[in-house]
Amino acid sequence: SQKIEQNSEALNIQEGKTATLTCNYTNYSPAYLQWYRQDPGRGPVFLLLIRENEKEKRKERLKVTFDTTLKQSLFHITASQPADSATYLCALDVAGNMLTFGGGTRLMVKP
Amino acid sequence: NAGVTQTPKFQVLKTGQSMTLQCAQDMNHNSMYWYRQDPGMGLRLIYYSASEGTTDKGEVPNGYNVSRLNKREFSLRLESAAPSQTSVYFCASSENWVGNTGELFFGEGSRLTVL
Repeated sequence: SQKIEQNSEALNIQEGKTATLTCNYTNYSPAYLQWYRQDPGRGPVFLLLIRENEKEKRKERLKVTFDTTLKQSLFHITASQPADSATYLCALDVAGNMLTFGGGTRLMVKP
Repeated sequence: NAGVTQTPKFQVLKTGQSMTLQCAQDMNHNSMYWYRQDPGMGLRLIYYSASEGTTDKGEVPNGYNVSRLNKREFSLRLESAAPSQTSVYFCASSENWVGNTGELFFGEGSRLTVL
C-alpha cells in the first residue's frame, strides 16, 4: 500500500537559518505532491503544489523539490522566522482519485 | 469570506450514541471531503463527494455515513459511536476533483470524544 513518511520528530532551528523538511513515499508514482501548513487547533492550509515533471517550485521564502527517482520531496524555508513554527504536511495523489497525507513534521524556530 | 464552516467544534458522546457533523462551504466548490486526524496517523480520508449527487468511500469509511445535501453542504454521520472514533474531524473542499490537482480548503475541525 502507499506509504508516506515524514520525520515525526520535531525539527528545531535557529531564526534566520534554512529549515529543510523531508517527505518520502513508496509504492506509487504520484502525478503531483502538495505541501500544507497546520497550526495547533487549526485546519491545514495549502502552501505549494509541484508536479512530477517539475524539479523545483518556489514561492517567496519557500522552495519545494520533487525527485521522482528517489521518491522524495524536500521542503525548504529560507530565512526562517518564529512565525514559521507549525506542523508541515505533505500530500500526494493516489491513483488520481485520492489525496493521501503524511503524518507531518513539527517545525520550531527559536528566536 | 467564511470558506469551510464545520459544526460543532467540540462534542462529547457516550458509546452507542449517534451524531452528525455538519460542513458547509461558500466557495462554489464541486468536491468535498471528510478526513479524520489522529496523533501519529496523519489525515485519513473517510468519505468524499467528487460532485453534487455522488459520494464514495475513502480509506477509513467503516462506522460512518455521509450525505451531500446540496452543492454547499456535506454531512458526516456516526450511527453508533465507538471510542475508536475519538478524533479530530476535518471537512475540506476543492474547486474540482482532487485528481485534477485541486488544492484543498479545510475547515477548523470538529473535536469528538467518545467515552
